Amino acid sequence: ETGVTQTPRHLVMGMTNKKSLKCEQHLGHNAMYWYKQSAKKPLELMFVYSLEERVENNSVPSRFSPECPNSSHLFLHLHTLQPEDSALYLCASSPQRTGSYEQYFGPGTRLTVT
Amino acid sequence: AQSVAQPEDQVNVAEGNPLTVKCTYSVSGNPYLFWYVQYPNRGLQFLLKYITGDNLVKGSYGFEAEFNKSQTSFHLKKPSALVSDSALYFCAVSDTSGTYKYIFGTGTRLKVLA
Repeated sequence: ETGVTQTPRHLVMGMTNKKSLKCEQHLGHNAMYWYKQSAKKPLELMFVYSLEERVENNSVPSRFSPECPNSSHLFLHLHTLQPEDSALYLCASSPQRTGSYEQYFGPGTRLTVT
Repeated sequence: AQSVAQPEDQVNVAEGNPLTVKCTYSVSGNPYLFWYVQYPNRGLQFLLKYITGDNLVKGSYGFEAEFNKSQTSFHLKKPSALVSDSALYFCAVSDTSGTYKYIFGTGTRLKVLA
């Protein structure tokens, strides 16, 4: 186990639903990340939080809304998604945001949009 | 622009043989380089990294990687492959220019045949 947990592990939602993904890290890290992993594509960095402040948003559609209430928890709120949003969503954390640190990943949430 | 290339979608190797998974990169300034492994239904796990110093880096599970600045490469190697090494391997790079952007390659599936 990496010390990063994600719930739920699987989620099926309709295009009009609202749902949330949850990530929790037990490592005392100060930076947290959301990634989207689609087949045969590089991991796409969606959001970066450092000390609970969003520091990067890689042009993600507004139907994805992150929330970081404290340094241990990260949420991704989903609404009116499209079928192309079906993917594995990975949460990660690192001690700091600086690039010399490796990232610790959760197991991911497999999202299917119907 | 910062980028990572993993030229092989899949690498097949017989158990007991040496393995190499290739990675080349392009960054401004000096790179931080990483290798991660992903087993089915799991998140990415950190294997090793190059920050500075010795060009040969040793990591988890007997893996090592060689940083070659002139060829801008960071190939992953293991002297003797195990069937349990079969997984998806990702190379990643982060630059030192201050943006600390963390870019992943598209991944290489390693299949070790018994």
